[in-house]
Amino acid sequence: EAQVTQNPRYLITVTGKKLTVTCSQNMNHEYMSWYRQDPGLGLRQIYYSMNVEVTDKGDVPEGYKVSRKEKRNFPLILESPSPNQTSLYFCASSFRLGPYEQYFGPGTRLTVT
Amino acid sequence: TQLLEQSPQFLSIQEGENLTVYCNSSSVFSSLQWYRQEPGEGPVLLVTVVTGGEVKKLKRLTFQFGDARKDSSLHITAAQPGDTGLYLCAGMDSNYQLIWGAGTKLIIKP
Repeated sequence: EAQVTQNPRYLITVTGKKLTVTCSQNMNHEYMSWYRQDPGLGLRQIYYSMNVEVTDKGDVPEGYKVSRKEKRNFPLILESPSPNQTSLYFCASSFRLGPYEQYFGPGTRLTVT
Repeated sequence: TQLLEQSPQFLSIQEGENLTVYCNSSSVFSSLQWYRQEPGEGPVLLVTVVTGGEVKKLKRLTFQFGDARKDSSLHITAAQPGDTGLYLCAGMDSNYQLIWGAGTKLIIKP
């Protein structure tokens, strides 16, 4: 089954404790991205990757890091989480950059206290 | 900064009624997509429109891309409880990046 998986689905952590949210796709897609979703603000892109070893900042990259060492995986790293990073996070992938369908993971709800 | 404004933000109607959701911008988009998101899940693509004036139908859902490719609408005929969800529009800019609307939360009451 074609899918994007994310782990964990739920995470409660404390300020400053480094964490990683994993994302994996099995569709051999070139393009992957991370979004955060907050009430009334819609989806805001954090980082994106057009292919292996190619990553770039989205609209709200501060406080986040990513890496793309393999085509299928695109982890999101919060080196020192803060309460304003409490949000619902989605990983997405598509065939390549362009007017192609974005396939979204199920989301990770992160709470930073 | 490009913006994509969706209206209404929230809509609650009875089963069987018709409704229209709007997505407006001052910017021109090369294409526009509509997604539906259900609680606890990621958005799922409904349609992509590419040509100005294009109309696409998906059962009871009708999507239209404005002639100038700055706006779009989603019309649902005879809404059903299964249509409940968050509807998101996303326009593709000249750099092939998606600009997202904030969403319309739709509730269809039986």
